[in-house]
Amino acid sequence: NAGVTQTPKFRVLKTGQSMTLLCAQDMNHEYMYWYRQDPGMGLRLIHYSVGEGTTAKGEVPDGYNVSRLKKQNFLLGLESAAPSQTSVYFCASRHLRDSVTYGYTFGSGTRLTVV
Amino acid sequence: AQTVTQSQPEMSVQEAETVTLSCTYDTSESNYYLFWYKQPPSRQMILVIRQEAYKQQNATENRFSVNFQKAAKSFSLKISDSQLGDTAMYFCAFIAYNTDKLIFGTGTRLQVFP
Repeated sequence: NAGVTQTPKFRVLKTGQSMTLLCAQDMNHEYMYWYRQDPGMGLRLIHYSVGEGTTAKGEVPDGYNVSRLKKQNFLLGLESAAPSQTSVYFCASRHLRDSVTYGYTFGSGTRLTVV
Repeated sequence: AQTVTQSQPEMSVQEAETVTLSCTYDTSESNYYLFWYKQPPSRQMILVIRQEAYKQQNATENRFSVNFQKAAKSFSLKISDSQLGDTAMYFCAFIAYNTDKLIFGTGTRLQVFP
C-alpha cells in the first residue's frame, strides 16, 4: 500500500509561474486535505474535499485552487506563484466512516520555494 | 472557532530524562478528539497518541502519556526515558466529532541531547 503520495517532493518556482501539486491516495478515502506548514505557524488548512467533485475552503485559501475530479486524486494549483507561498505542503486523507479514530494519513510533503 | 495553542516553541531534554510538552485548546464542543503528532526531520507526520474527550482515563502509548484536563482544556504530552530518536517537532491537534477539519497547534521543537 502506497498510502498518500505527493508529487513532486521539491520544486523551485519563479514569481508569477504556475504549477500543480498532485496528491494521490489508494485507500478509497472520501476526505482529502491540503495543508501548508510554515515555521512558527504549524499546519494550516488550505482547501479540503469531502468527496469526488466537491471542494471547500479552509483557513488560508487565497492564491490556491483545487480540484477533485477523481476520488483518489486531489490537485492543488498555484496560478501565479508568490514568495509568500514558499512553504511545505502536506496532503492528507481520511475515511468518511472513520468516526471512531478520525485517523488521518499524511503524505510526505512537498517543499516549494518561490523566488 | 476552535484554536490550539502550544506555548513552548522549543524544548530540550537529556537522554533518559522525562519531558512534558504543553497544549491548550479552546472549543465550545463537548465531544472531540485530541492528538499528538511527531514530525521528525524526514517530514513524515506520525501519530503518537490520541485521546477521546469523553474518556476520563489518560491515554498511554509505551513511553508516551498524556495529562488530559477537560475542564481546563489542557492536553500535555509526557515523554519518559527520552531517546535520541524522539528529537522532532511535535504538534498538538484537535477535531470535533462530525466535523471535517483537523486543527493544529504551532508545534514544539524537541531536542534530545546525549
